[in-house]
Amino acid sequence: SQTIHQWPATLVQPVGSPLSLECTVEGTSNPNLYWYRQAAGRGLQLLFYSVGIGQISSEVPQNLSASRPQDRQFILSSKKLLLSDSGFYLCAWSRHRVDETQYFGPGTRLLVL
Amino acid sequence: AQSVTQLDSHVSVSEGTPVLLRCNYSSSYSPSLFWYVQHPNKGLQLLLKYTSAATLVKGINGFEAEFKKSETSFHLTKPSAHMSDAAEYFCVVISHYSGTYKYIFGTGTRLKVLA
Repeated sequence: SQTIHQWPATLVQPVGSPLSLECTVEGTSNPNLYWYRQAAGRGLQLLFYSVGIGQISSEVPQNLSASRPQDRQFILSSKKLLLSDSGFYLCAWSRHRVDETQYFGPGTRLLVL
Repeated sequence: AQSVTQLDSHVSVSEGTPVLLRCNYSSSYSPSLFWYVQHPNKGLQLLLKYTSAATLVKGINGFEAEFKKSETSFHLTKPSAHMSDAAEYFCVVISHYSGTYKYIFGTGTRLKVLA
């Protein structure tokens, strides 16, 4: 069966510090991968998605970036965090098929102070 | 363009009473629709999905949803609420854009279950 991991689970960082969140998927190959952000009291916003190694599409211009160094690894980064980057970050995966279900990880709670 | 509207931001029910969470969709073609549940500080868990097969879709934990094309609705129901159902629920439609397929989320409905 497939599983998706995210770490860390919780992170408190000062403004201006760098960020690296990691997501890995087990039990499948060549998945589509997604990063979402959920701000307090708001819905989910798609940040990045990837259909393969090194292939990243950005949905929203911001100070975040994503990378996919391996088939089942997806990393969300920032060089300098802003207060507005606080939120709940969710990684998800899906198969390469039309209308395929997305499966979500447990999430990372980021608080920027 | 595809979109979903969750008609209630908060719903409160008593334990043992029926649950109705409403979702209307907009789509220029036959849509794929999903309901997810999110417990506090957790990821999203798939409850059920509709992909043009049976219009009444049964999901996990006793939830079901009915696709009604004439009403452009995909409401989520459960006959009897349990305390563990207290969570946030998201309705999702798939958007087709430039050869890619993306989730369009509703704004969520927070379900409160009263003892």
